[in-house]
Amino acid sequence: EAGVVQSPRYKIIEKKQPVAFWCNPISGHNTLYWYLQNLGQGPELLIRYENEEAVDDSQLPKDRFSAERLKGVDSTLKIQPAELGDSAVYLCASSLSGTTNYNEQFFGPGTRLTVL
Amino acid sequence: KNQVEQSPQSLIILEGKNCTLQCNYTVSPFSNLRWYKQDTGRGPVSLTIMTFSENTKSNGRYTATLDADTKQSSLHITASQLSDSASYICVVSAGPNDMRFGAGTRLTVKP
Repeated sequence: EAGVVQSPRYKIIEKKQPVAFWCNPISGHNTLYWYLQNLGQGPELLIRYENEEAVDDSQLPKDRFSAERLKGVDSTLKIQPAELGDSAVYLCASSLSGTTNYNEQFFGPGTRLTVL
Repeated sequence: KNQVEQSPQSLIILEGKNCTLQCNYTVSPFSNLRWYKQDTGRGPVSLTIMTFSENTKSNGRYTATLDADTKQSSLHITASQLSDSASYICVVSAGPNDMRFGAGTRLTVKP
């Protein structure tokens, strides 16, 4: 079974440019998460989707970040315009809610963003 | 202040040696605690999960303990291997979708 797929794996852009990340969750997983991870830190939740609905976007900087999960499957996270401080790894995770596995999250490999 | 504190921040050990990583938390209410292993350039992978009533859980050479009274957990790695070099992240859940991540311990195993 394929795991969580993310692309691109690496992205280098200049500040003020837009950038987009794509995530395909594990088949059948209804919950999808986007995290930001700075070097030497744990992941920080940006947004959580239940199917196609964003149920927790309280930590998403909405002035420059946006996300969508059309049809409740794959998702795109966008930054426009990017700032130097956005350099980080962006992780996508998925889980199957409503089971007895305590909502175990399965993570993708992440996209490493460098803003110059 | 982070509600999940891990120590040490980094650790270097020789191959074959044992080590213990610590996780202290103040998260409340408590649902479960997971230890994740994150290899460089990869996403975290779950090693163990413990609920309130569980004191210990093993996964091969990894053994996690939980003291819910003192709100402490540890991850013990036995007979370390080079492939154990990674970051180990403690995650405490207050509910189904309320997860608090520690900053992780960076373990380096040297030959």
